[in-house]
Amino acid sequence: IVMTQSPGTLSVSPGERATLSCRASQSVNNNLAWYQQKSGQAPRLLIYHASTRATGIPARFSGSGSGTEFTLTISSLQSEDFAVYYCQQYDNWWTFGQGTKVEIK
Amino acid sequence: QVQLVQSGAEVKEPGASVKVSCKASGYTFTKYGIHWVRQAPGQGLEWMGWINTDDGIARFLENLQGRVTVTRDTVATTAYMELSSLRPEDTAIYYCARTGIRGSYYFDYWGQGTLVTVSS
Repeated sequence: IVMTQSPGTLSVSPGERATLSCRASQSVNNNLAWYQQKSGQAPRLLIYHASTRATGIPARFSGSGSGTEFTLTISSLQSEDFAVYYCQQYDNWWTFGQGTKVEIK
Repeated sequence: QVQLVQSGAEVKEPGASVKVSCKASGYTFTKYGIHWVRQAPGQGLEWMGWINTDDGIARFLENLQGRVTVTRDTVATTAYMELSSLRPEDTAIYYCARTGIRGSYYFDYWGQGTLVTVSS
């Protein structure tokens, strides 16, 4: 299953909303996770089962979608949210999207 | 608390092998699988394979078949990933990550990563 994320880079001002997209080449049901990776760090789980926040993840992060179309929304970007975000399907083996970099505008 | 602690950085020549370890603590080792994910410099995440730590069965990405071996030691609560016939394009950070065994197959905890450099 091929996962395609868009856009490749998203320029956003602090306090603004960010919307990241992820599309699967075939249905993955709701077996979709989102990870955040900051420079020099390991990825961190944000969202699983498409919309469930992982332990300790702030409420400004939300996930939605099912089947082939998914969205990660960050409602009001904080300075610590500028990072690369990956989606991953775990319905049929495991594959990651190529990532979306969220940078400061 | 759950921790996955990986072995240190390695520098290898082309054609050699490397073995990376992932020491788990803070949970029952055999109730969760361990995956291996790599990230080439400046690139995205590539899933490599995983091991069911309960029965020891491992599965790998097809294009790595024959070069990668994943094992575990349930007494030492450690998983190992060995990659052979190394090529310069295998230069990457290698991560281990924890997953559920019976459902919930997302990766909830990650190791800190191990940099493997392949160079002559």
